[in-house]
Amino acid sequence: DGGITQSPKYLFRKEGQNVTLSCEQNLNHDAMYWYRQDPGQGLRLIYYSQIVNDFQKGDIAEGYSVSREKKESFPLTVTSAQKNPTAFYLCASSRTVAVSYEQYFGPGTRLTVT
Amino acid sequence: KQEVTQIPAALSVPEGENLVLNCSFTDSAIYNLQWFRQDPGKGLTSLLLIQSSQREQTSGRLNASLDKSSGRSTLYIAASQPGDSATYLCAVRPQETSGSRLTFGEGTQLTVNP
Repeated sequence: DGGITQSPKYLFRKEGQNVTLSCEQNLNHDAMYWYRQDPGQGLRLIYYSQIVNDFQKGDIAEGYSVSREKKESFPLTVTSAQKNPTAFYLCASSRTVAVSYEQYFGPGTRLTVT
Repeated sequence: KQEVTQIPAALSVPEGENLVLNCSFTDSAIYNLQWFRQDPGKGLTSLLLIQSSQREQTSGRLNASLDKSSGRSTLYIAASQPGDSATYLCAVRPQETSGSRLTFGEGTQLTVNP
């Protein structure tokens, strides 16, 4: 059963703490992405990775960090520098970053920081 | 910079009605356009993908059209059902060769009343 898993579904943290969101895929995709979604808004790209040990900043990378040590995994760390971390976070993957390949999305993690 | 706008932001219709959701984009240099469905608190499900060379795509009761030169796409839903209630997002992919960066609209929240 191939797909993308994100855990946990809900995450609560106190302000000032770093938190790491998990994203795993078993689709054998090279490219992975992290998006942020705020209420009533579309998705905005945080970071993407074309291949293991490589990642690029998206449109709103400030306050976030990522790693890509394994093809299957692309964890996102929300640092204390992120001013408004409460949001819905979606991970996606595609065969490569080439425009001809569709992105497939995980179920999302809702992060609440108080 | 590409901008994607969806009108209306919210729509409520009685069951059985045919309806149209609108998506407009500012840069016509796109590779393709994709319509997604998002249920509350869930990830994105791809509905239809239209290549820039195509005029429309159909899947069951859904029909998506694309007028690239005018920067518009519509999603037509025939004989709407309560199960169609969800947020519908459109996203465009640029023609550039590096990085499959999707730009999303804010979405249209559809409610179909029984």
